Amino acid sequence: NAGVTQTPKFQVLKTGQSMTLQCAQDMNHEYMSWYRQDPGMGLRLIHYSVGAGITDQGEVPNGYNVSRSTTEDFPLRLLSAAPSQTSVYFCASSSGTSGGQDTQYFGPGTRLTVL
Amino acid sequence: AQSVTQPDIHITVSEGASLELRCNYSYGATPYLFWYVQSPGQGLQLLLKYFSGDTLVQGIKGFEAEFKRSQSSFNLRKPSVHWSDAAEYFCAVGVTSYDKVIFGPGTSLSVIP
Repeated sequence: NAGVTQTPKFQVLKTGQSMTLQCAQDMNHEYMSWYRQDPGMGLRLIHYSVGAGITDQGEVPNGYNVSRSTTEDFPLRLLSAAPSQTSVYFCASSSGTSGGQDTQYFGPGTRLTVL
Repeated sequence: AQSVTQPDIHITVSEGASLELRCNYSYGATPYLFWYVQSPGQGLQLLLKYFSGDTLVQGIKGFEAEFKRSQSSFNLRKPSVHWSDAAEYFCAVGVTSYDKVIFGPGTSLSVIP
């Protein structure tokens, strides 16, 4: 049971480049989400999914796209990277049985730098 | 709208000393309350959570937290800190829907021998 896995661990992009951050979980969780972590700001929700085929925007969705074709995977796409997207990105999953009460399980994070 | 404040950006304690990390929230009803810990280079791990009932909740690694409705607080405590407790600690508030979990800015804990 690997839990929540994320790849890559580190990435450096140039402004305007695109990339996909990968996230997978093997706990059969319905809910998955992407957060970004910036100093002094805690974690902010980018996008989330309540099941395969269903996604929605969080607090800071601009510049990011997501899709959820399977229960296990929830990739995050940056279509045209900007320096403001330099951050640490965390993927999380939860069972989805209790909404706001659910414990979230976090991946190890991807540290992204946009030059 | 709900919000979470953690007044202390950074705290340094000696190993073996007691610890209290502060968390205050703003929400009209009783929220769901969480404390997560993030070790360097790692993701977040749940320490404990409060939904209802006994206002003193026990968590992993010897941590406990007390919900005080009158003060809108959910402070985290540990009676004797170990060097391995050095990490970033996040308080979070949840309401009924999944997308409304709000994280505080975090408190960084350093432990000196």
